[in-house]
Amino acid sequence: DAGVIQSPRHEVTEMGQEVTLRCKPISGHDYLFWYRQTMMRGLELLIYFNNNVPIDDSGMPEDRFSAKMPNASFSTLKIQPSEPRDSAVYFCASTPAGANTGELFFGEGSRLTVL
Amino acid sequence: GDSVTQMEGPVTLSEEAFLTINCTYTATGYPSLFWYVQYPGEGLQLLLKATKADDKGSNKGFEATYRKETTSFHLEKGSVQVSDSAVYFCALRGSGGFKTIFGAGTRLFVKA
Repeated sequence: DAGVIQSPRHEVTEMGQEVTLRCKPISGHDYLFWYRQTMMRGLELLIYFNNNVPIDDSGMPEDRFSAKMPNASFSTLKIQPSEPRDSAVYFCASTPAGANTGELFFGEGSRLTVL
Repeated sequence: GDSVTQMEGPVTLSEEAFLTINCTYTATGYPSLFWYVQYPGEGLQLLLKATKADDKGSNKGFEATYRKETTSFHLEKGSVQVSDSAVYFCALRGSGGFKTIFGAGTRLFVKA
């Protein structure tokens, strides 16, 4: 079975540019999470969705960040405009609701570098 | 709000040494507790979990016991191997929801 798929794996961009990160969760998983990992702040929860609806976006740092989930198999995290301090690894994770063990299934991450 | 605190790293051990990585938490109700492991260049993967007080999670020689009285979930392994070198994250999922928060991570180096 395919796991959580994220793209791109690496992105280098210049300050001020728009960045879009993509995630395809595991089929049948009802919850989708976006996390950001940095050396300074560790692994931060940005936002999570249930059945394509955002449940908690309190971790989204600024209005420059937005996330959408137009259908059950696709989500995007957009940063516009990007800044050097947004440089991090962004992870997407999913989990099913029914018979839930609580385990999150992570993608391999998208490493973003903003110059 | 809920939070997870784990010991700072890096932790450097020789092969076959005993490992302890401390983790304490703050939460209301009865959270579920997890340890995840991250190998270089990869996403996190579940190592073990415990869903109620006094439960012991175990996997691949690692163990952790959910101690509600001390709000702790320390990770232990009796004899580490070079292949255990990775970053270990303690995590908490609050009762009644799916929101999962993570500690800062502890990097483990095991020398041959």
